Amino acid sequence: QVQLVESGGGVVQSGRSLRLSCAASGFTFTTFGFQWFRQPPGKGLEWVAVIWHDGSRQYYADSVKGRFVISRDNPRNTLHLQMNNVRAEDTAMYYCARDYSYGSFGDWGQGTLVTVSS
Amino acid sequence: QSALTQPPSASGSPGQSVAISCTGTSSDIGRYDYVSWYQQHPGRAPKLMIYEVSKRPSGVPDRFSGSKSGNTASLTVSGLQAEDEADYYCSSYAGGKTVFGAGTKVTVL
Repeated sequence: QVQLVESGGGVVQSGRSLRLSCAASGFTFTTFGFQWFRQPPGKGLEWVAVIWHDGSRQYYADSVKGRFVISRDNPRNTLHLQMNNVRAEDTAMYYCARDYSYGSFGDWGQGTLVTVSS
Repeated sequence: QSALTQPPSASGSPGQSVAISCTGTSSDIGRYDYVSWYQQHPGRAPKLMIYEVSKRPSGVPDRFSGSKSGNTASLTVSGLQAEDEADYYCSSYAGGKTVFGAGTKVTVL
């Protein structure tokens, strides 16, 4: 069955870096585009970034553009989110998700919590 | 501030219907038929309930339906059941990015 498992979250100091990973299994990884989303504690969902199935294009939310980098390692069926120069407002549960159809996301991981401390 | 506007709460008794609106602009909902709805229970990941305005993924009960008119999309849950109590988020493709509403908490009375 389809499985997405995030890892790499934790407590990080403001201004430092963190790398999140999302290990995928149960399907052909290279067929799908992937997204990162985040959800601050007690708040709503926010789209963070997208990467196309072949890695040829990436797009970012304005709030993370220039600081975060989405990438994929197709041989290892793994998605990454490199978070640089993190800020307090980056504190959130981070989810990876697989594209279901255009603009929708049908399979989500369980999330990994990132807490930015000052 | 979320790009899409949803009411913060909605409620209904078991068996009744509840409708949730989601208002965007001509740059998102009004421009693309790529509106989705997600259900999220506390402590759980979101679950896709509706995609491309009105389509249901396999396994989603037909009690859930979606529609769109102009810049506003709607999710209707008919025949409310206790397990429908959750947060519901709308989203729309917006040209290279995805935008969300702030979420609507549905309470089953």
